Amino acid sequence: GQNIDQPTEMTATEGAIVQINCTYQTSGFNGLFWYQQHAGEAPTFLSYNVLDGLEEKGRFSSFLSRSKGYSYLLLKELQMKDSASYLCAVSYGNKLVFGAGTILRVKS
Amino acid sequence: EPEVTQTPSHQVTQMGQEVILRCVPISNHLYFYWYRQILGQKVEFLVSFYNNEISEKSEIFDDQFSVERPDGSNFTLKIRSTKLEDSAMYFCASMGIEDEQYFGPGTRLTVT
Repeated sequence: GQNIDQPTEMTATEGAIVQINCTYQTSGFNGLFWYQQHAGEAPTFLSYNVLDGLEEKGRFSSFLSRSKGYSYLLLKELQMKDSASYLCAVSYGNKLVFGAGTILRVKS
Repeated sequence: EPEVTQTPSHQVTQMGQEVILRCVPISNHLYFYWYRQILGQKVEFLVSFYNNEISEKSEIFDDQFSVERPDGSNFTLKIRSTKLEDSAMYFCASMGIEDEQYFGPGTRLTVT
């Protein structure tokens, strides 16, 4: 199967940095997406990685290692509004396979 | 900023009825997708569509489901003979040449 593994929950403090890891099966890999999803809403696109390395977009960065089947999403200067579920999704061919999501709770 | 739109936002239907969920993808995008998310569960791929034909479909996407691009702007998902377990959020997504896949706001389908 094409399992996507990420932690179920994480808690961090406002202003801190948090790293959310994701591992996936490398066979057939085309690229990796990170999405943010607030309860009851649609996933919102955060990043797309296809090559190894770090992609930075403001407070959010995403890293990919294709050989290791590993990615992480780094959130800096956490704000209360960052409390949400973060979804790792891998493109295999013409389909996107999602992980179960990591619920991030930001506390003051 | 261009966005994917979906109608209706909420659809209630009786078991056994047919429903059509509608999506308008971002105008210059070429790849279209349907996903579903049952309450409290992960997002699941249903089907991808490119160049007026299905490019890939999941095991969930059986004969009960069909997709169509009836004109240059709409992309529809038809579910025939709905079942209770079809109750879920259905998301449409589209992707352009930058490989960034954007989701619509979703249609909440409730089958009673």
